[in-house]
Amino acid sequence: DQQVKQNSPSLSVQEGRISILNCDYTNSMFDYFLWYKKYPAEGPTFLISISSIKDKNEDGRFTVFLNKSAKHLSLHIVPSQPGDSAVYFCAAMTGTASKLTFGTGTRLQVTL
Amino acid sequence: DTAVSQTPKYLVTQMGNDKSIKCEQNLGHDTMYWYKQDSKKFLKIMFSYNNKELIINETVPNRFSPKSPDKAHLNLHINSLELGDSAVYFCASSLGQVNSPLHFGNGTRLTVT
Repeated sequence: DQQVKQNSPSLSVQEGRISILNCDYTNSMFDYFLWYKKYPAEGPTFLISISSIKDKNEDGRFTVFLNKSAKHLSLHIVPSQPGDSAVYFCAAMTGTASKLTFGTGTRLQVTL
Repeated sequence: DTAVSQTPKYLVTQMGNDKSIKCEQNLGHDTMYWYKQDSKKFLKIMFSYNNKELIINETVPNRFSPKSPDKAHLNLHINSLELGDSAVYFCASSLGQVNSPLHFGNGTRLTVT
């Protein structure tokens, strides 16, 4: 019973273009959503988050969009850089539980 | 100046042994966690402690026992190791408040032979 799903296991994007990573969730109790970035042999690093009361949050090259009615969120990276190549995890939590439920990740490769 | 540090980074052991993984955070966070990343790369919570008290205990075999001597440390003891315990174990911490991101350590890769 996977409550957070990332249906694309991998994505390849050319440097300078936009990367769009998608995430779907099933639990309507989730009210806080996060994206983590993970390099090999390292732990996940917090990237950006969004509360369910918002539909967009932007931080530099990274923007997260939330569509609550569709239970869908996406991470946009523009422009994509080679250093962005990593595995990106979508995660969600309910405010009271303070535990993260993760998706299975999308491996992003930014090519020159 | 590592925020969340866990040791060892790699652990290779035989079935039936007992082993421990240590975790320390210097962020002043109140809440600490253990996550397991299995062979399918799925990250799943195991335990959470807030100020040394267990607050989340997912369906984990009782061979796994977390111990929190103080709020900056959360160690994981595993008894009678089995092949299926092979995974990467991540420690994390957070402020424990509503909408607080988790900060992760770099993981311990456990291989049971």
